Formats: sequence, C-alpha cells, structure tokens
Amino acid sequence: QQQVKQSPQSLIVQKGGISIINCAYENTAFDYFPWYQQFPGKGPALLIAIRPDVSEKKEGRFTISFNKSAKQFSLHIMDSQPGDSATYFCAARGAQKLVFGQGTRLTINP
Amino acid sequence: GAGVSQSPSNKVTEKGKDVELRCDPISGHTALYWYRQSLGQGLEFLIYFQGNSAPDKSGLPSDRFSAERTGGSVSTLTIQRTQQEDSAVYLCASSLSSGMISEQYFGPGTRLTVT
Repeated sequence: QQQVKQSPQSLIVQKGGISIINCAYENTAFDYFPWYQQFPGKGPALLIAIRPDVSEKKEGRFTISFNKSAKQFSLHIMDSQPGDSATYFCAARGAQKLVFGQGTRLTINP
Repeated sequence: GAGVSQSPSNKVTEKGKDVELRCDPISGHTALYWYRQSLGQGLEFLIYFQGNSAPDKSGLPSDRFSAERTGGSVSTLTIQRTQQEDSAVYLCASSLSSGMISEQYFGPGTRLTVT
C-alpha cells in the first residue's frame, strides 16, 4: 500500500513534443505529491508538486495533473527540450516520509 | 547559500569492511533523511531525523546499518560488514521541517561500491 508505481521506465520524445509520465498510488493518506528531476551524478531536485485537493498545477512548461478518484497523477512537459533529458521521479508523502516511484529516464532528441 | 554536502563522493570497499558516509545538511534544517538508490531504481527510504526526536529507522534494511546525527546537524550513516548488495548511491536530504510540507533538498550522493 506504500508503493508508488511509475511508468514508463524510459521515454524518447522529439524536441518540441510533449513528454508524459504517469504514476499511481494506493494509500489514500498520502498528502503531497512532488516530482523530482535528476541529472547524472547529481541528487534529485524538486521540479513541481501538488496537493490532493487540486486537480492541476502548472509551472512554465511543466504541469501536474492529479486524479484523486483514480489515485493517479502525471507530469506533462510541454515543448520538450534537450535540456529536459534527465531521470524523473514521482513521489508521495505519507507519515512524513516520501515514497518514490521507480523513475523514468527521459531523452529528448534534437 | 551552501547546499547539502556529502562525503566521500565515491567509496570502494572490500566485502566485510565497515564504511561511514557523511552528510552535512543545509544550516537551519531540522529534518534530515537518508535514502539508497540502486542502479536503475527509485529512492529507498532508510532513516530520518527530526530535531531532537527519536529517529525513524523503519527503512533500515538490516542491523548492519545505523545512523546518527550529532548536535542536530551532521549525520553519519554506518554500514558494518558490507556486502555486495550494499553497492548503491546513498543520498542525504534535509528540509526545514518534516512536520510541514517542506521541500527536501538532496545532496549529490555517495557512490558505494563493495568488491
């Protein structure tokens, strides 16, 4: 019940396209859903986050869509750029700890 | 200001040896977390410290793993009698508080290789 399932494991998108990464969870007690971006050799960095009382949050080219009834949330990257190539992790907070998805390796082809 | 720092950045050790990994959190951050990231995997929670409260050790995989936080600042993760399956990147994160929805800032990690 503490798992967060993330898909796909890897994703290749053409420059200018839309990248979509999906996550699903079971624990309805989760109260905060962040997305992290990780470049090789670096620690993850917070990209964008949402609370379960909001269905969508947009920051620049990055949007989180949240479906509370389906217990799913997704990250959309509009106008994807080569600099967006990284590994992305979704996470969910419960009992003051973050549970992470397995990660998606995103490659943006120029 | 300075971010979370970790040392060493890389550590190669022989099976059976003990290792110590160090984390310096952001000054003023009361919450500190340790995670393990195996190749191609997500982040696995190990332990967290919040102020002077007893640490939450629920993620430690075995009694060979332990951690302490001295003076509410620097933390050391110790792995005794290392095994090959301990090879991973060990990440430390800190936040202003774990009681609020507060961003966790991650360090660059220590890559541990057990030969």
